[in-house]
Amino acid sequence: DGGITQSPKYLFRKEGQNVTLSCEQNLNHDAMYWYRQDPGQGLRLIYYSQIVNDFQKGDIAEGYSVSREKKESFPLTVTSAQKNPTAFYLCASSIEQGAYNQPQHFGDGTRLSIL
Amino acid sequence: RKEVEQDPGPFNVPEGATVAFNCTYSNSASQSFFWYRQDCRKEPKLLMSVYSSGNEDGRFTAQLNRASQYISLLIRDSKLSDSATYLCVVTGGGADGLTFGKGTHLIIQP
Repeated sequence: DGGITQSPKYLFRKEGQNVTLSCEQNLNHDAMYWYRQDPGQGLRLIYYSQIVNDFQKGDIAEGYSVSREKKESFPLTVTSAQKNPTAFYLCASSIEQGAYNQPQHFGDGTRLSIL
Repeated sequence: RKEVEQDPGPFNVPEGATVAFNCTYSNSASQSFFWYRQDCRKEPKLLMSVYSSGNEDGRFTAQLNRASQYISLLIRDSKLSDSATYLCVVTGGGADGLTFGKGTHLIIQP
């Protein structure tokens, strides 16, 4: 089945540690996105990528990094510089960035907590 | 600044009733509009797109009012399974192109 797969489902980070969240899609979508959702809050855009080897900062990129070496994969690293990493992280993809009539499709998320 | 505003609720509605809620957006250049449904501790899932002419999908009807810059979602004959948070999403008019509302929490009561 086509879809977006995020792993792990739950992740715990120790003080000063970098952790990487995986996002893989087999939908042949060009654009991929990372969002963060805090309890009772809306989704906030961390990073997005329109095409392989290119990505742009979203609204809250500080303390995060990404790479887009393959069309199917868009991993997110939460660095030690991110002081409040506890949140629900959602990866999404769409056919292409700026394809205004195309919605985004989401993976089932990763919950990150601090140990 | 792009903004999408929703009444957070919760809307407590008896089963079988009709419920409607709106979402206002500030960017007049917005191009496309969607409603997503998000269950507790789950990812958002696309419920329906919102077309200029309005559209209906079973018990759900979505409307767009460009002049007043809002979209609406109407749910008829509500079911217990309709309990969820409904996110309004507006695209277009910016580099990242997508803005999410914070959601309206709907609780259908037996």
